[in-house]
Amino acid sequence: GEDVEQSLFLSVREGDSSVINCTYTDSSSTYLYWYKQEPGAGLQLLTYIFSNMDMKQDQRLTVLLNKKDKHLSLRIADTQTGDSAIYFCAETNSGYSTLTFGKGTMLLVSP
Amino acid sequence: DSGVTQTPKHLITATGQRVTLRCSPRSGDLSVYWYQQSLDQGLQFLIHYYNGEERAKGNILERFSAQQFPDLHSELNLSSLELGDSALYFCASSVTETGGSGANVLTFGAGSRLTVL
Repeated sequence: GEDVEQSLFLSVREGDSSVINCTYTDSSSTYLYWYKQEPGAGLQLLTYIFSNMDMKQDQRLTVLLNKKDKHLSLRIADTQTGDSAIYFCAETNSGYSTLTFGKGTMLLVSP
Repeated sequence: DSGVTQTPKHLITATGQRVTLRCSPRSGDLSVYWYQQSLDQGLQFLIHYYNGEERAKGNILERFSAQQFPDLHSELNLSSLELGDSALYFCASSVTETGGSGANVLTFGAGSRLTVL
């Protein structure tokens, strides 16, 4: 079955760039997503990328997709303390709507 | 406010009991998904309904059941509760039934935290 793996924890200083990595196993994944979960809240969609794209940029966020290696990354430029949260990678495969999530990466941004 | 409403926010109950979690999807969304979030298992997909009909089942225990009503709200029923059922239960909604040619963007509620003692 599908599997999505993420590192559990990342710590950066305010103003630095953060890079959160994700690997997935399903070669038929069509869309890959990044969600953010703040304490006590639900998941909020940050961005998504279609599998035929290599890169997508949205303000401070840059998503890179290496389909050959099944590797997805999320880069947050100029990381702020308000970016501290858990970040989830997720994927869907063709014709099937359910999102499969990784276990999440906790990002801690220190001043 | 995401537009997806979940009640109750917190629930404490005893082993062996039964609880019902409720979800109202975002206006216009026909699909409702239930996920369970625990520290060891992460986010696990439980079940998906579209316009009142079950569309997909994930790792949902036989002690759990769900339904989606004509007004599109959904309920997740958890029975014969065990300590291991303690978790955060999320409901999410989306417009589409399947991804089709586009991304399936899920909007999540704030979750219902269940504690089984």
